[in-house]
Amino acid sequence: AQSVTQPDIHITVSEGASLELRCNYSYGATPYLFWYVQSPGQGLQLLLKYFSGDTLVQGIKGFEAEFKRSQSSFNLRKPSVHWSDAAEYFCAVGALAAGNKLTFGGGTRVLVKP
Amino acid sequence: GAVVSQHPSWVICKSGTSVKIECRSLDFQATTMFWYRQFPKQSLMLMATSNEGSKATYEQGVEKDKFLINHASLTLSTLTVTSAHPEDSSFYICSAPISGRGTDTQYFGPGTRLTVL
Repeated sequence: AQSVTQPDIHITVSEGASLELRCNYSYGATPYLFWYVQSPGQGLQLLLKYFSGDTLVQGIKGFEAEFKRSQSSFNLRKPSVHWSDAAEYFCAVGALAAGNKLTFGGGTRVLVKP
Repeated sequence: GAVVSQHPSWVICKSGTSVKIECRSLDFQATTMFWYRQFPKQSLMLMATSNEGSKATYEQGVEKDKFLINHASLTLSTLTVTSAHPEDSSFYICSAPISGRGTDTQYFGPGTRLTVL
């Protein structure tokens, strides 16, 4: 079975500072990895995804994530945070063998200080 | 592109009544849709996979007689919460995948907040 752990429940970061959100997964085969963002009152928006190839993935809104197979990690980063980045972030793992079902991590809530 | 809508966005109902939630893919066809449940400040939990033209597949622990799913067309799936009780109050989210490069990327609806009094 696949599982996802996001160790940080809350992260507070100053506007303009860098941000890194941790994600660790467990899956027996090559996973398909996703980062979604959920803003209050809005649906989940896909930030980026990793299927194969280059392990550094660029996404929307200036986010990037790096797949590290040896560490079973897919951490999300942004060099300079904007106040509008305050939201809940979810890491998810999917697998073709599992019918493309997604398993989500517990989420990390990001607060941005002015 | 890849827009998924849900209706209603929020609903309040009395205990014992049934509530229907619609999920539509607006600009693409989806033979499969997924239904999730999200409790406050928690993650999304997959409830079931909705399959167009066939029965839904439910995750372990999800009561299929309580959460009826119908996938009547390639753009519409409905979730009916039957005989709703306060413990069914939650945020219900649907998603629909778009195929590409060997696997699917799921696009999510905005969610429906259900409150059962």
